[in-house]
Amino acid sequence: GAVVSQHPSRVICKSGTSVKIECRSLDFQATTMFWYRQFPKQSLMLMATSNEGSKATYEQGVEKDKFLINHASLTLSTLTVTSAHPEDSSFYICSARRRDEQYFGPGTRLTVT
Amino acid sequence: GESVGLHLPTLSVQEGDNSIINCAYSNSASDYFIWYKQESGKGPQFIIDIRSNMDKRQGQRVTVLLNKTVKHLSLQIAATQPGDSAVYFCAEDSGGSNYKLTFGKGTLLTVNP
Repeated sequence: GAVVSQHPSRVICKSGTSVKIECRSLDFQATTMFWYRQFPKQSLMLMATSNEGSKATYEQGVEKDKFLINHASLTLSTLTVTSAHPEDSSFYICSARRRDEQYFGPGTRLTVT
Repeated sequence: GESVGLHLPTLSVQEGDNSIINCAYSNSASDYFIWYKQESGKGPQFIIDIRSNMDKRQGQRVTVLLNKTVKHLSLQIAATQPGDSAVYFCAEDSGGSNYKLTFGKGTLLTVNP
């Protein structure tokens, strides 16, 4: 149990376009999901906390208008990177909370050309 | 915010040896700590956790030690195997109702056959 999926696993997009990443909890309901970004050889950095039915809470320095988060149901949160630029290329990882634990998705590799 | 470097600390061990990975955490109010294993291109995988009212917890081949006095956490892996090769992160729950995790820098463990 406690499986989290992400789609797509890899995406390449052109500079200036937008890309949506989905995070799903497959076998449990998650009122809270988290979005992280990870650059090569670095740690996970929390971007925002996604709460079902309410606005996401963004960490300091993360642009909410650039990284749009929608948590429309108890099993789905989406992250949309708007007007992507090469510096947005990174590994994006979501997690879903069940009780006191966080379960992580497999990550999405975004490359902006 | 979290301070991260461009080069991960590394630990290289021989197959069958015991490994010890260390982590210094930052928030004395944190009351829940987790060790994660991350293989290349994948999301973090839960290994073991410990709460602040304990100083040691054992799992299968793994032991976590917590020293709250010096804010230090360690992960011991017994009889290390090639499949243990990965980056290991400690994470602390900074408390509050959001269950936000702050990740450490990570350590790259390489197991030589």
